[in-house]
Amino acid sequence: EVQLVESGGGLVQPGGSLRLSCAASGFTFGSHWMTWVRQAPGKGLEWVAHISQDGSGKDYVDSVKGRFTISRDHAKNSVFLQMNTLRAEDTAVYYCARDNTYQLDYWGQGTLVTVSS
Amino acid sequence: EIVLTQSPGTLSLSPGERATLSCRASQSVPSTDLAWYQQKPGQAPRLLIYGASTRATGIPDRFSGSGSGTDFTLTISRLEPEDFAVFYCQRHGTTFGGGTEVEIK
Repeated sequence: EVQLVESGGGLVQPGGSLRLSCAASGFTFGSHWMTWVRQAPGKGLEWVAHISQDGSGKDYVDSVKGRFTISRDHAKNSVFLQMNTLRAEDTAVYYCARDNTYQLDYWGQGTLVTVSS
Repeated sequence: EIVLTQSPGTLSLSPGERATLSCRASQSVPSTDLAWYQQKPGQAPRLLIYGASTRATGIPDRFSGSGSGTDFTLTISRLEPEDFAVFYCQRHGTTFGGGTEVEIK
């Protein structure tokens, strides 16, 4: 059974940092791109970043470029999102999703990030 | 950057009725890149349709996707009580549409 479990969310002050993790199981982790999507309270979905199978390919939404870094660790079957210089508008539930060739076919349950003083 | 505009914002329908949801792109999108997701309150999104028209595993055949270029449609032929939710289109690897809420009339 495919499972994605996010962790690392919490309350952080503006300008602070957080590192989100997504532990994957039930599939060949190294065969899939992985994606982070976020959802601000009461708002729609926003694609944030994705990373290729070997980690060499990465892309980000413009609003997080230079502040967020996506990475993956094949030994731990995990994908990470390092978030620096956080802003109030980064407050959201962050979902990790498996990319299965043009489809995000499995999603985690999300982790809440709150940026507030 | 391609913008996806979904309409209507809210659709008020009764169980058994047909739902037609639109997703319009600001530029042409390859059909392979267009997917639809359903999200219920407090839950993660669920993949419904990929490649514009292919149902994901386990999705009932009352859900169908169509369209090409800049105009795509998600149709629910007969609404079941469990179908009421928010639906999003997405160009793979990038932006989502703003969503359409299908609510019980």
